[in-house]
Amino acid sequence: SQQGEEDPQALSIQEGENATMNCSYKTSINNLQWYRQNSGRGLVHLILIRSNEREKHSGRLRVTLDTSKKSSSLLITASRAADTASYFCATDATGGGNKLTFGTGTQLKVEL
Amino acid sequence: GAVVSQHPSRVICKSGTSVKIECRSLDFQATTMFWYRQFPKQSLMLMATSNEGSKATYEQGVEKDKFLINHASLTLSTLTVTSAHPEDSSFYICSAMAGGGTGELFFGEGSRLTVL
Repeated sequence: SQQGEEDPQALSIQEGENATMNCSYKTSINNLQWYRQNSGRGLVHLILIRSNEREKHSGRLRVTLDTSKKSSSLLITASRAADTASYFCATDATGGGNKLTFGTGTQLKVEL
Repeated sequence: GAVVSQHPSRVICKSGTSVKIECRSLDFQATTMFWYRQFPKQSLMLMATSNEGSKATYEQGVEKDKFLINHASLTLSTLTVTSAHPEDSSFYICSAMAGGGTGELFFGEGSRLTVL
């Protein structure tokens, strides 16, 4: 299945800085979701944004969605060392039967 | 949030043996579960969609005779890797969709399979 692409592949920042990750996809979607994965662990759902929404906030997370450009961004503000993880976007394609297609992921490292 | 339990979390087996991985939704019923495979530092690749009471739907390129999926109840799906070989070594993750049509999936903690 086709995957979305995320950039950057890897991101290293200092604690307190903001981290921005971008995701591009190829099909029309019902929604787009962001997940976090700590090394060797399962995925944790962060936020879901529907195709008719443009921006969503949850705590220190801000997600935008531009369906015309088929892209989304995840902003983590005031990052902490505990935010170190891999972040994946996943799209629920229209007519896809709720199957999620995952992006390539961004490995975020937040240093003290 | 909803909890999905996956067992075992780690398994090491010899080539040629079969390994069964269980995925349970602990506090909700899941008519649909999904099985993913993840190689180190890579993304998740959907293997199959598991539907309660019916045959699984496999993604292109996934051998259904090698990766047997059974979804016998609304809270349990199993993935059996048959006649495992070293190239089957991977991280296998299941997810389940809660009812209500929210679209949110809940993931298990994953099972790391190492085939010697």
